[in-house]
Amino acid sequence: DGGITQSPKYLFRKEGQNVTLSCEQNLNHDAMYWYRQDPGQGLRLIYYSQIVNDFQKGDIAEGYSVSREKKESFPLTVTSAQKNPTAFYLCASSREDYGYTFGSGTRLTVV
Amino acid sequence: QKEVEQDPGPLSVPEGAIVSLNCTYSNSAFQYFMWYRQYSRKGPELLMYTYSSGNKEDGRFTAQVDKSSKYISLFIRDSQPSDSATYLCAIRNSGYSTLTFGKGTMLLVSP
Repeated sequence: DGGITQSPKYLFRKEGQNVTLSCEQNLNHDAMYWYRQDPGQGLRLIYYSQIVNDFQKGDIAEGYSVSREKKESFPLTVTSAQKNPTAFYLCASSREDYGYTFGSGTRLTVV
Repeated sequence: QKEVEQDPGPLSVPEGAIVSLNCTYSNSAFQYFMWYRQYSRKGPELLMYTYSSGNKEDGRFTAQVDKSSKYISLFIRDSQPSDSATYLCAIRNSGYSTLTFGKGTMLLVSP
């Protein structure tokens, strides 16, 4: 079955550490997205990519970085510059003019 | 004015009730309207997808779009405890424009 796989499901980060969240899709979708979800804040767009080797900043890109070297993969790095990284992170993909397919999410906690 | 407004709830109803969930939006350029359902600690799943104005029905779910009022609705008939979740509306212009999400309404259906 086609879908989006996010890993790990839970991730713990120490202060000052960079961590990378994985997102892989086998839906043959061109576009991929990263969202952050906090209680009461809804979904906030971090980065998105519409084509391989190209990506754009979303509303809250500071402290995050991404790469898109393959169509299937869109990893997100949470850097030490992100001062409040504890959140639920969602990856999604889409084809033109349709809704997103979301992964099951990664819950990141700072310890 | 925020682009998409959605009452956060929670909305509590007894099993079998008809549920009405709503969003208002400000940008008349929006053309694609979606509803997502999100269970706790899971990724959102696409429930309904509509283009332009009108109604769309799928089983117990009906999505309604009134572009003249900039108002979208999701109706759930014969609600079940398994419908208890957060429902997010999402809107986009066209093509690869990113989705704009409401903050979600939490629905609780009691047996």
